[in-house]
Amino acid sequence: EAQVTQNPRYLITVTGKKLTVTCSQNMNHEYMSWYRQDPGLGLRQIYYSMNVEVTDKGDVPEGYKVSRKEKRNFPLILESPSPNQTSLYFCASSPSTLINRREYFGPGTRLTVT
Amino acid sequence: GESVGLHLPTLSVQEGDNSIINCAYSNSASDYFIWYKQESGKGPQFIIDIRSNMDKRQGQRVTVLLNKTVKHLSLQIAATQPGDSAVYFCAEKANDYKLSFGAGTTVTVRA
Repeated sequence: EAQVTQNPRYLITVTGKKLTVTCSQNMNHEYMSWYRQDPGLGLRQIYYSMNVEVTDKGDVPEGYKVSRKEKRNFPLILESPSPNQTSLYFCASSPSTLINRREYFGPGTRLTVT
Repeated sequence: GESVGLHLPTLSVQEGDNSIINCAYSNSASDYFIWYKQESGKGPQFIIDIRSNMDKRQGQRVTVLLNKTVKHLSLQIAATQPGDSAVYFCAEKANDYKLSFGAGTTVTVRA
């Protein structure tokens, strides 16, 4: 089944404790991205990757890191989480075409930082 | 900056009626638009898309209308069903590598 998977689905952590949210897709998509979703703000892009070893900042990259060492995986790293990073996070992937930018979303990771 | 927004944050509709969800965008250069549906506890799911060289596109029970003159996008759902209750987002292709999303409209279907 074609899908985007994220782990963990739920995470409660404390300020400053490094964490990684994993994302994997099995559709051989070149493009992957991370979003955060907050009430009233919709989805805001954190980082995106056009291909292996190619990443760039989205709209809200501060406090986050990403890496793309393999085509299928795109982990999101919070080196020193803070309470304002409490949010619902989505990973997404897309075929890399200039016209079709439909993104396939994962199920989400709900993160709480205390 | 550019933004994509929805006119109303909530919409209540009677089961069986048609729903119309509106979206205004500000980037007149946008050439691709998408509607997503997000059910509670799930990630957004693709509903339908439209390119700027089209005014209308139909899918199964859904129609997207694009009015480039006033930079307005709408999603029409025919014969709304309880399973249509969700948050609906419009998104525009801001550039080759980015989508910009609106804040979403929560649709509640009344039995």
